[in-house]
Parts: sequence; structure tokens; C-alpha cells
Amino acid sequence: RKEVEQDPGPFNVPEGATVAFNCTYSNSASQSFFWYRQDCRKEPKLLMSVYSSGNEDGRFTAQLNRASQYISLLIRDSKLSDSATYLCVAEGGNTPLVFGKGTRLSVIA
Amino acid sequence: EAQVTQNPRYLITVTGKKLTVTCSQNMNHEYMSWYRQDPGLGLRQIYYSMNVEVTDKGDVPEGYKVSRKEKRNFPLILESPSPNQTSLYFCASSLLGSPYEQYFGPGTRLTVT
Repeated sequence: RKEVEQDPGPFNVPEGATVAFNCTYSNSASQSFFWYRQDCRKEPKLLMSVYSSGNEDGRFTAQLNRASQYISLLIRDSKLSDSATYLCVAEGGNTPLVFGKGTRLSVIA
Repeated sequence: EAQVTQNPRYLITVTGKKLTVTCSQNMNHEYMSWYRQDPGLGLRQIYYSMNVEVTDKGDVPEGYKVSRKEKRNFPLILESPSPNQTSLYFCASSLLGSPYEQYFGPGTRLTVT
């Protein structure tokens, strides 16, 4: 069974801190990966795609390590509004997207 | 506005009373999917559809049915709901052919007593 594993947290960090999440995936055939953000009781929304070379979007950096089959998300200068659950997602060729259970982040003033 | 809509948003029902949760998207997406989300278990896929008249089971299909008669609609049917189907349900859609972003509906909170 293809799975994506994440540390559930919660991660409680002060404003301005840098926080990193990792997730591992079991399907070596997965070619594409994503990070989604989900606010409490709301629908998940795409935060960013993860490219082989890594990618950055403002305070957010995503990286992929195919050899070790893990994906990371780094958030710099955390804001209160970053508090949410972050879902790691792997796509596996013909298989549907596989979602991790999510990592909960609380940014504290 | 590009969106996925679900109805109803909230539903309380009794065991055994058939219900349908509708899902509709206006983005001409081929792929549509239903998930349920429970505390500690994350998002689990119930059924998905690659196109009209093409549906397939996800991880937790038992107790659910779907149909895809039109590209824009993908209703979820619970023929005989049971309390263990109390959950938060999300419909999602995306383009096919590449790992495109999945757009989620706002969710349907179902309680079966």
C-alpha cells in the first residue's frame, strides 16, 4: 500500500521562528509532490508544488530528496497566519494522489 | 469563478436513511474524487473518477456509491448510512494527464445517529 508519512505535531513555535516539516513517501514511482495547507474545518488548498530542484515561494521553501524518498517544507519568519495543518501529497503515476495525515503548526505571539 | 460546490454543507440523519451529497465543478475537469476526513486518520479517498462513466474505488469505498453521468457532477450516495460514516466529506477535481492541483469543495459535515 502506497503511503505518505508525516509527523502529526503539533509544532508550537513563536512568531518569527523558522520551522521545518518532513514527510516520507513509500511509492518510489511517485513523480510529483505537493504541499497543501488546511485551516481548521476548511478545505485543503494547494500551498506549493515540489520540484526536483527544490523551489521557493517567499518565506516557503520545498525540497525533494528522491534517494531517501522524503520531502521537506521550510517556513521562515513564521507568522500567526501560518497556523494551520500542512498536508504532504505524493502523486504516483496511474495511482491517485496520496495524502499524508498532516502536520499541525501553531504560531504563537 | 472557478469552484467546486457541495451540497448540503451540513447534514444530520438517522441510520439507514438513504442520502446523496452532490458535487459539481465548473472548470471542465476530467478527474473528480471524494474523500472523508476523520481525526487522526487524515484524508482518505472513497472513490474517484477519471472521466464520464469511469469510476474506481479508493481506499475506503465500503458503504458508498458514486456515479459520473456528466462531466461536471459527481454525487456521493450512501444507500444505508451508519454511525461510522459520520465524518467530514470533501469533493475534489482536477485536470488529468499531469499532476495538476486538486481543487476541493468546502466540505460536507455528516452526522449519522
